Amino acid sequence: EVQLVESGGGLVQPGGSLRLSCATSGFRFDIYTMHWVRQAPGKGLEWVSTFSSAGGSTYYADSVKGRFIISRDTSKNSLFLEMSSLRAEDTALYYCARDLSGGDNYFDSWGQGTLVTVSS
Amino acid sequence: EIVLTQSPATLSLSPGDRASLSCRASQSVDTYLAWYQQRPGQAPRLLIYSSSERVPGIPPRFSGSGFGTDFTLTISSLEPEDFAVYYCQQRRDWPLTFGGGSRVETK
Repeated sequence: EVQLVESGGGLVQPGGSLRLSCATSGFRFDIYTMHWVRQAPGKGLEWVSTFSSAGGSTYYADSVKGRFIISRDTSKNSLFLEMSSLRAEDTALYYCARDLSGGDNYFDSWGQGTLVTVSS
Repeated sequence: EIVLTQSPATLSLSPGDRASLSCRASQSVDTYLAWYQQRPGQAPRLLIYSSSERVPGIPPRFSGSGFGTDFTLTISSLEPEDFAVYYCQQRRDWPLTFGGGSRVETK
């Protein structure tokens, strides 16, 4: 069974940093492209970042480019999102999502999310 | 950036009714479009990808169609568990984008 479990969310002040983790199991992590998607309270879905299994390319939404870094550790079957210079508008539930396949860029399996609140 | 516009924002229907949800893209996405369902308090679930391909395990009452800029998700006969929010998403170009969502609520 595919499982994705996010952690690392919490309350942080504007300008602060946070590192999100996504522990995975039930599939070959190293061959799947992985994503972060967020959802502000009461709002819709917003794609944040992608780590491609093909060559390790990374992609970012303009709203987070230069502030967030996506990475993975295949020895731990884990995906990460390093977040810095956080703003109030980054407040959201952050989901880790697995790609449908190698690089379809559809979100096939999702975790339950970890909540990030940016506030003073 | 490709903007996806979903309509209607809210659809009020009864169990057994047919639901048709629209997603319009600001430029062609070919067939690179997916649909997701999100129930309250739950993570989204992929229903349809590549415009019309149903994910294994998704009931056949869900179907997708469209090409280019106009897409439709149809639920042929609503079950109680289908009352939820539905999002479309394109993968034709970076950044990946979602529509604003359509809520299917009980009439």
